[in-house]
Amino acid sequence: LAKTTQPISMDSYEGQEVNITCSHNNIATNDYITWYQQFPSQGPRFIIQGYKTKVTNEVASLFIPADRKSSTLSLPRVSLSDTAVYYCLVGASTNAGKSTFGDGTTLTVKP
Amino acid sequence: SAVISQKPSRDICQRGTSLTIQCQVDSQVTMMFWYRQQPGQSLTLIATANQGSEATYESGFVIDKFPISRPNLTFSTLTVSNMSPEDSSIYLCSGTSTDTQYFGPGTRLTVL
Repeated sequence: LAKTTQPISMDSYEGQEVNITCSHNNIATNDYITWYQQFPSQGPRFIIQGYKTKVTNEVASLFIPADRKSSTLSLPRVSLSDTAVYYCLVGASTNAGKSTFGDGTTLTVKP
Repeated sequence: SAVISQKPSRDICQRGTSLTIQCQVDSQVTMMFWYRQQPGQSLTLIATANQGSEATYESGFVIDKFPISRPNLTFSTLTVSNMSPEDSSIYLCSGTSTDTQYFGPGTRLTVL
């Protein structure tokens, strides 16, 4: 299982775009990259998943370079409610659930 | 998507007793899992709950301590047996649907 490395914490201000980068140098050919958001006292919530290039949904974008050894979660115009821990996971879709949770990135959005 | 609920949401238990946590999914999921999360820390996978057969445990977790059942595609239970204060943690249920993993809200367990 590919190990992931993320910054432990990040600070931002309301209205800014936030980019959180995750390194996964040992990603396998059939691995997907998935990001989760977790608020205190709640379970992780799925944000976005991708395999290569760029994926966008209503809450975030995921940028994956050609070598797939890293990925960047982009949160546009963050608000105070985006303060949470963000986890990057790498694993095969057929092995979903076996992906190892890293330490995550604690994002603090300030007014 | 799948919505996952857990019962109880929290409990305070005496050492030496056991607690069974229930996990219900609103739709059929391919796989179900149980995780543990210490306050302020990341998630650790305890086991994969297999329908109709014994769960598959990760290193450091054993069936005698964490017996798991999964009688059908939408329900699973995790029992924390012979509890000690070190078992105080948040226990989360998870299910996989269309290659996406969903999580329950967690059960906060405090052992005195």
